[in-house]
Amino acid sequence: AQSVTQPDARVTVSEGASLQLRCKYSYSATPYLFWYVQYPRQGLQMLLKYYSGDPVVQGVNGFEAEFSKSDSSFHLRKASVHWSDSAVYFCAVSASSGSWQLIFGSGTQLTVMP
Amino acid sequence: AQTIHQWPVAEIKAVGSPLSLGCTIKGKSSPNLYWYWQATGGTLQQLFYSITVGQVESVVQLNLSASRPKDDQFILSTEKLLLSHSGFYLCAWDWGYEQYFGPGTRLTVL
Repeated sequence: AQSVTQPDARVTVSEGASLQLRCKYSYSATPYLFWYVQYPRQGLQMLLKYYSGDPVVQGVNGFEAEFSKSDSSFHLRKASVHWSDSAVYFCAVSASSGSWQLIFGSGTQLTVMP
Repeated sequence: AQTIHQWPVAEIKAVGSPLSLGCTIKGKSSPNLYWYWQATGGTLQQLFYSITVGQVESVVQLNLSASRPKDDQFILSTEKLLLSHSGFYLCAWDWGYEQYFGPGTRLTVL
């Protein structure tokens, strides 16, 4: 069965520091992977996506993620975080089962300290 | 450009009362539509999906039902709310493998 694990429920970093949010997936076929961000009391916005090709994909607001098939991972990174990056980040894998079903990880609450 | 609208923005309802939440998408014909539920502080779980008018598939049973009365409309409802229905309800549409979400409806059941 497909699953997504985000091992860090909460991450706190200082403004200007680098960031890595971890994501491990379990999926039998080639995965379609996503990172979404959720600001307080809002819907989800897609940050970036990976289907194939270059394992490092660029997203919005300076975020990037790296796909590793050998490690079954899709970690999110940012070189220098801003206080406005504080939000909940979800990793997801898209699985086909009649329609496309997004399977989400449990999310990581990111707090950026000024 | 596609836009997705959900109504109401928030609801406070009593246990045992009925519920109807709506979702409308504009700018895309015959979209696949989805309902997700998010418990407070939790992850998202897909509830229903619909690929055409009048056809809805259930993914998770939570004593809720869904209907697709029009091509651009998706409705989530129940006759009797439970405390466990509280949370954030999100509607989404897809573009191939990608899903895009509406602003959500926050439901509080007391």
